[in-house]
Amino acid sequence: ILNVEQSPQSLHVQEGDSTNFTCSFPSSNFYALHWYRWETAKSPEALFVMTLNGDEKKKGRISATLNTKEGYSYLYIKGSQPEDSATYLCAFSNDYKLSFGAGTTVTVRA
Amino acid sequence: GAVVSQHPSWVICKSGTSVKIECRSLDFQATTMFWYRQFPKQSLMLMATSNEGSKATYEQGVEKDKFLINHASLTLSTLTVTSAHPEDSSFYICSPWTSGRPDTQYFGPGTRLTVL
Repeated sequence: ILNVEQSPQSLHVQEGDSTNFTCSFPSSNFYALHWYRWETAKSPEALFVMTLNGDEKKKGRISATLNTKEGYSYLYIKGSQPEDSATYLCAFSNDYKLSFGAGTTVTVRA
Repeated sequence: GAVVSQHPSWVICKSGTSVKIECRSLDFQATTMFWYRQFPKQSLMLMATSNEGSKATYEQGVEKDKFLINHASLTLSTLTVTSAHPEDSSFYICSPWTSGRPDTQYFGPGTRLTVL
């Protein structure tokens, strides 16, 4: 079992504010780091797959960075909107199996 | 993204009964199916990996005789929880995978199992 930790467990953000949260993972035998957005009663939605140290990826107002040497990734949400409320999961893989963090639950207050 | 369905979305059963969960990959052929479960306030944990037409490989601590996995076709896999007990109450979610899409894994919406 690979130790993947996400912090914080939950956060509340005011609409329009920006926020970020972290995922830490083992720095050895790295293959890929995945970010998912998961809303209740829906399938987790793939946001990013990151494989290279220093990678930065962006999808609309959401972006992510990757540091494989120190074993962490940040997810940023710029100008949070109520529809951004969800649980954000990160998952580490050193082959095709994923080891998940427990998630960061984001609640955006209007 | 891929379209993955799971049925049922939730189920309540009595202790000792068996429950079958279906997972369908609707728009691509899944050579491999991953089954995960999530207990409250915990991470999604991989239970088993199955390849189409062969026996599943179970993760440490997962009883293969209790969680029967069938992956008879490239679009359908089933997980049967046999003689379910309250400690099997969990959220079960499937993830089809194919070597044609190595970097992205898709998930079904999950099944909430409650065993009374």
